[in-house]
Amino acid sequence: ETGVTQTPRHLVMGMTNKKSLKCEQHLGHNAMYWYKQSAKKPLELMFVYSLEERVENNSVPSRFSPECPNSSHLFLHLHTLQPEDSALYLCASSQGEAGELFFGEGSRLTVL
Amino acid sequence: GENVEQHPSTLSVQEGDSAVIKCTYSDSASNYFPWYKQELGKRPQLIIDIRSNVGEKKDQRIAVTLNKTAKHFSLHITETQPEDSAVYFCAASISGGSNYKLTFGKGTLLTVNP
Repeated sequence: ETGVTQTPRHLVMGMTNKKSLKCEQHLGHNAMYWYKQSAKKPLELMFVYSLEERVENNSVPSRFSPECPNSSHLFLHLHTLQPEDSALYLCASSQGEAGELFFGEGSRLTVL
Repeated sequence: GENVEQHPSTLSVQEGDSAVIKCTYSDSASNYFPWYKQELGKRPQLIIDIRSNVGEKKDQRIAVTLNKTAKHFSLHITETQPEDSAVYFCAASISGGSNYKLTFGKGTLLTVNP
């Protein structure tokens, strides 16, 4: 595997479920990101991890909980989500703060 | 904070024609402007970027222009081909291109008709 891989690609969950999204990068980068992509809205930066430390948290509701156990892996833990949280969640990585962003193909989340 | 407006939201052209997508930004401190292309069902990918110390940058059929005074920048695609069909996102960043401060536009769906 090369690049940035995300699993699962599709996820349907109820509002009371707990699930996790996983991201893995094989590029040797030291920064990882979670973005939310909703229809007709700009890409929204949710979280940034640099050298496994969270450096940015853009006022994301606590029902989204990120975890970065090492520089290659990033998780987004989901619990008690709302229907408006349905979106494509994109993971990305970069080398350094200003390096080119390399995106995964996303996890399409539907909250019923 | 920064606000990036992108127009048009959809654009349809005939193969071989040129396509222009425009973005404006609000923070005069922004100094890095990348463009990403996202094909249907695929990941966004960087196609070209420009920094505020230059006014234009070209890469084959793609060019980006920047007008710092007016705070707008544009993507130009010449001799369009069906494989250019995708959603294009502009973005702006301060702090030397920090991804932490990267603000995206809403995207333009470009359709190139054969």
